[in-house]
Amino acid sequence: SQQGEEDPQALSIQEGENATMNCSYKTSINNLQWYRQNSGRGLVHLILIRSNEREKHSGRLRVTLDTSKKSSSLLITASRAADTASYFCATMSNSGNTPLVFGKGTRLSVIA
Amino acid sequence: ETGVTQSPTHLIKTRGQQVTLRCSSQSGHNTVSWYQQALGQGPQFIFQYYREEENGRGNFPPRFSGLQFPNYSSELNVNALELDDSALYLCASSDQGTVNEKLFFGSGTQLSVL
Repeated sequence: SQQGEEDPQALSIQEGENATMNCSYKTSINNLQWYRQNSGRGLVHLILIRSNEREKHSGRLRVTLDTSKKSSSLLITASRAADTASYFCATMSNSGNTPLVFGKGTRLSVIA
Repeated sequence: ETGVTQSPTHLIKTRGQQVTLRCSSQSGHNTVSWYQQALGQGPQFIFQYYREEENGRGNFPPRFSGLQFPNYSSELNVNALELDDSALYLCASSDQGTVNEKLFFGSGTQLSVL
């Protein structure tokens, strides 16, 4: 089963604009991670935010976490055509030996 | 580019056949996880191996089985293939100490069942 649900399912923006993707989840988490996947390829880890953190930055990426609303957002600033990919949130539960659970992803298209 | 390699990259099988997919972990990683990703969906956890033993399994039937070898490489075996098994199969390696924080994925094997 998939715990995370990304919103929107698809997003199309112009190069230079900011892209915001949202993720909602259902159970208590230890951490939340964002991954990127180019078409038909493997996933690449982008950033991790722990349950006791509210915001984190990495380059052009900004992630926020609101555990009271069980939601997270990924902001990509000054987008580039090379950012075109699918983006997935993945949650790590804080209850025992459980695997990383992925959402269905947001397909981002950045138009040059 | 991660150091995780998967083979083959593409595979076509017919219903009822058996298939073996292979994965070489990134150097220094002792844990491997397998995921199934259907078209347009997120990856679904199949199972995880640590030091040659299965230490976690998702909601997949017993015809999905795996192995991890002493060099930490791994195989995913699927028996009695069904049409719904058509998907991208992803292997991810990690160190057991950080398996909950970062996975390193291979490029996947695209399996088509006809």
